Amino acid sequence: GAVVSQHPSRVICKSGTSVKIECRSLDFQATTMFWYRQFPKQSLMLMATSNEGSKATYEQGVEKDKFLINHASLTLSTLTVTSAHPEDSSFYICSARPLSGGLYNEQFFGPGTRLTVL
Amino acid sequence: GDSVTQMEGPVTLSEEACLTINCTYTATGYPSLFWYVQYPGEGLQLLLKATKADDKGSNKGFEATYRKETTSFHLEKGSVQVSDSAVYFCALTSNQAGTALIFGKGTTLSVSS
Repeated sequence: GAVVSQHPSRVICKSGTSVKIECRSLDFQATTMFWYRQFPKQSLMLMATSNEGSKATYEQGVEKDKFLINHASLTLSTLTVTSAHPEDSSFYICSARPLSGGLYNEQFFGPGTRLTVL
Repeated sequence: GDSVTQMEGPVTLSEEACLTINCTYTATGYPSLFWYVQYPGEGLQLLLKATKADDKGSNKGFEATYRKETTSFHLEKGSVQVSDSAVYFCALTSNQAGTALIFGKGTTLSVSS
């Protein structure tokens, strides 16, 4: 149990286009989902915390208008990279924290999405 | 704020060697502690966890003990394999709902045969 999926796994787009990444918790409900960004050979950087039905909380230095987050249900959060540029190329990873139960203090990670902007 | 410090790599070992990756933390309250592993080209996988002081997490031959007195959660394995080559992340989270994981910078382990 506790599986998180991400789609797509890999995307290549032209500069100036927008890209949407979906994150789904498949077998549990998650009030809170998190979006991370990972640069090559570096750690995960928390971008934002996404709460179902409310606005996302962004970390300092993360542009809200560039990285739009929508958390429409207890099992789905989306990250849209708007007007993508080459510097947005990165590995984006989502995670979800169960609403309750014995695993409430864990986070379950999606497999990540590799974004390449040409 | 809360933080995690882990030893910098890369760590290069021969097969069957002993492994220790140090991790210390700074946190208010009583966080839960985790080790995640990331194999090349893949996402993060939970390796082991501990939720309170003196707990020992273990999985796949790896162990780590939650030491509150030294604020540490060092990862150990007695005999590494080539397949253990990966990046290892130490992390913590508070037990409050809705809080994110805080990660260390990661340690790259390379095991050669």
